[in-house]
Parts: sequence; structure tokens; C-alpha cells
Amino acid sequence: NAGVTQTPKFQVLKTGQSMTLQCAQDMNHNSMYWYRQDPGMGLRLIYYSASEGTTDKGEVPNGYNVSRLNKREFSLRLESAAPSQTSVYFCASSIGTNSYNEQFFGPGTRLTVL
Amino acid sequence: AQSVAQPEDQVNVAEGNPLTVKCTYSVSGNPYLFWYVQYPNRGLQFLLKYITGDNLVKGSYGFEAEFNKSQTSFHLKKPSALVSDSALYFCAVRDFSGAGSYQLTFGKGTKLSVIP
Repeated sequence: NAGVTQTPKFQVLKTGQSMTLQCAQDMNHNSMYWYRQDPGMGLRLIYYSASEGTTDKGEVPNGYNVSRLNKREFSLRLESAAPSQTSVYFCASSIGTNSYNEQFFGPGTRLTVL
Repeated sequence: AQSVAQPEDQVNVAEGNPLTVKCTYSVSGNPYLFWYVQYPNRGLQFLLKYITGDNLVKGSYGFEAEFNKSQTSFHLKKPSALVSDSALYFCAVRDFSGAGSYQLTFGKGTKLSVIP
């Protein structure tokens, strides 16, 4: 039982390049989330998927797109990377979107945009 | 809107001493409160949560937290700190009454250093 896995672990991009961050969970969770973590700012929600087939914007969605490929997988795409998107990206999942459900996090992807 | 404040960027404590990491929150309705821990170069791990009931919540690794509604606080505590407790701690809140409110709002984090 691997929990939440993310690939890649590290990535360096040049401004304007595109890439997709992959996330998968094997806990049969319905809900999945993408966050970014910046120093001194905690975690901020980019997008979430309450259930398979649905996605919604979070607090900081600009410059990102997501795809809920199936129940297990939730990808985050940067179409044209900008230096402001340099961050650590975390994927998380929870049983459902009920407010009391805790979230389980992946190990993160450290992205640098030059 | 919901918000969380962790007033201390860093807390230093000697090994064996009790530790407290502070958290205050603001929600329009009733809160669900969470503590997570992040070790270096790792993802966040769930420690404990308050939903309802007893104001003292016990969690993983000997941690506990006390919900205080009048002070809108949810401080994390441990009776005897270990060097291995050194990590970044995040408090988070969700508004129970927010219809469709799926967003978990995190504090900025408190770095705990336990000194041998």
C-alpha cells in the first residue's frame, strides 16, 4: 500500500515550457487535491477533484490545469511555466470531501522554473 | 472566510520538556481543526483532528491538542519532547457549516526544534 505517489520528485523547467505532474493514490479515495507550498505561506489549494469526473478551482488556479484521469489518478499541468510557479507541489487525497475527512499527502515535487 | 494563525515561526524546546505549538483560527461557523507534521523533504502527515466532543484530542506519536472555543485556539502539546519531534508543524481549519466548502486552510507553519 503505497498511499499517495507523485512523479517526478524534482524538475527544472525554462520559462514557457510545459509539463505535467502526476499523482496516484491506492487508498480508494474519492477526493484528490493539488497544493503548492511556498516558504512562509503554508499550503495553498490549486485545484481539487471532489469525485471522479469533477474538478474545481481552489485558491490559486491561474496558470494550471488538471485532469482527473480515473479514480486513482489526478494530474496537474503547467502549460507555459513562469518563474512564479517555482514551488513544491503536493498532491493529497481523502475518502470524501466531508469537512472532517483528513487528507493524505504525497512526498511532493520540487519544481524550479528558470 | 476562514483563516488560521500560527503566531510563532519557530519554537525551541529542550529534550524532555513539554512543548506547545500555538494555533488560533477564524471561521464563520463551527470549525473542524487539524494538525499536520512535515519532516524535511517529505509530505505532510496527519497528526490529529478535532470534530466535536471532548476538547482534548489525542493523536499520533504522543501529541495532543486542546480545543478552546472561547479563545478560538487549538494548541498542539506534548508532555515530553523528543529530538525526533523536530519538524515543521501546520495547523489547518475547515468551516463545518460552509456548503461545498472543500478548502482546507493551512497556517504558515511553525518550525519546532528540540535541543538535546
